[in-house]
Amino acid sequence: QVQLVESGGGVVQPGGSLRLSCAASKFTFSNYAMHWVRQAPGKGLEWVTIISSDGSKKYYTDSVRGRFTISRDNSENTVFLQMNRLRAEDTAVYYCARGPAPMGYYFEYWGQGTLVTVSS
Amino acid sequence: DIVMTQFPESLAVSLGERATINCKSSQNILSSSNNKNYLTWYQQKPGQPPKLLISWASTRESGVPDRFIGSGSGTDFTLTISSLQAEDVAAYYCQQCYTAPLTFGQGTKVEI
Repeated sequence: QVQLVESGGGVVQPGGSLRLSCAASKFTFSNYAMHWVRQAPGKGLEWVTIISSDGSKKYYTDSVRGRFTISRDNSENTVFLQMNRLRAEDTAVYYCARGPAPMGYYFEYWGQGTLVTVSS
Repeated sequence: DIVMTQFPESLAVSLGERATINCKSSQNILSSSNNKNYLTWYQQKPGQPPKLLISWASTRESGVPDRFIGSGSGTDFTLTISSLQAEDVAAYYCQQCYTAPLTFGQGTKVEI
């Protein structure tokens, strides 16, 4: 059974940085795109970013472009989200999710999420 | 960006009755090259991550009960729960997987 385990969430001040990790197991990580999707408290789902299976393609939602960076280490089966210049509106549970293909645009499997709180 | 409009925001259905959730995209998400609708449905129970229910507008994922039925094409889509069970209480989201930025509907909360 596919496993995705996020870590790295916490409380950070506005303008600060955090790095999220998502450790993947039970599938061939290097064959699949990976996403980050977030959910603000009590709100709906918002896609954040995707990285292709080989790391060559990355796309971002407008609100995070230039502040967040997605990367992956296929030798360690891990995807990362570096979040800089954090704002209050970035407060959310961040889920990593696996796409269905090397550049798949939907979310076959989800982790349990990690909470990021941006507050002074 | 493709805007996904989902309605109603919430609905209450009796056990065994039908629940219908609608989702409308601001652009056609039917591909002419492969005749597939780039629309997925997710279920999210309280305190849990979302779960993929239906891909390509109407293809149920493995293990999803057949009371969950996806339909529609082009810009108008529907998720029907044909006979609501207690375990179906959840929020349901549609999502277009046609082009980035990937976008979700606002969600529909289904209650008994």
